[in-house]
Amino acid sequence: GIQVEQSPPDLILQEGANSTLRCNFSDSVNNLQWFHQNPWGQLINLFYIPSGTKQNGRLSATTVATERYSLLYISSSQTTDSGVYFCAAYNTDKLIFGTGTRLQVFP
Amino acid sequence: ETGVTQTPRHLVMGMTNKKSLKCEQHLGHNAMYWYKQSAKKPLELMFVYSLEERVENNSVPSRFSPECPNSSHLFLHLHTLQPEDSALYLCASSQERRGEQYFGPGTRLTVT
Repeated sequence: GIQVEQSPPDLILQEGANSTLRCNFSDSVNNLQWFHQNPWGQLINLFYIPSGTKQNGRLSATTVATERYSLLYISSSQTTDSGVYFCAAYNTDKLIFGTGTRLQVFP
Repeated sequence: ETGVTQTPRHLVMGMTNKKSLKCEQHLGHNAMYWYKQSAKKPLELMFVYSLEERVENNSVPSRFSPECPNSSHLFLHLHTLQPEDSALYLCASSQERRGEQYFGPGTRLTVT
């Protein structure tokens, strides 16, 4: 089945810094989602982005399906951005999750 | 209530107990999912229901028994669990199968 890999596994930032999280997938995908898991375990939808670029406030995402990767950009990071960021890709019928990037933002 | 809700949020149960997890979606979606998230492991899909029919059973032990009485409700019945079943159990829904999924807050289960 499809493999979804995320990098880096851990990221520590000071408030105000920018960051780029990467998601690589091993096969063609039907769609791709980015989630933020907060410290209480809730998975919050960030982007549904099978291809192209989307922006939502300080966050934006780009998926290049032909090259099998997606990027999540976080600008001017805040302490509330801390948590784990997951990408997940659909291959046939299943949404396959990566192992996540754990982000810690310090004031 | 909006989105996807789950109850209870926390559950501690002994290995001989029987309990049920409940999920309700208020989004008018047609597909619902159960996932398991263990420490330091990726989310694992357990079950998929589409239009109230089970369409996926991902080699889950029979001590986990799902039920989908209608398109808005999903249950996970638990019996004779093992300590390694302790995890965060997440419910999700989507408009159609393979669509964008929305998750509930999860039930954190501890088996003693």
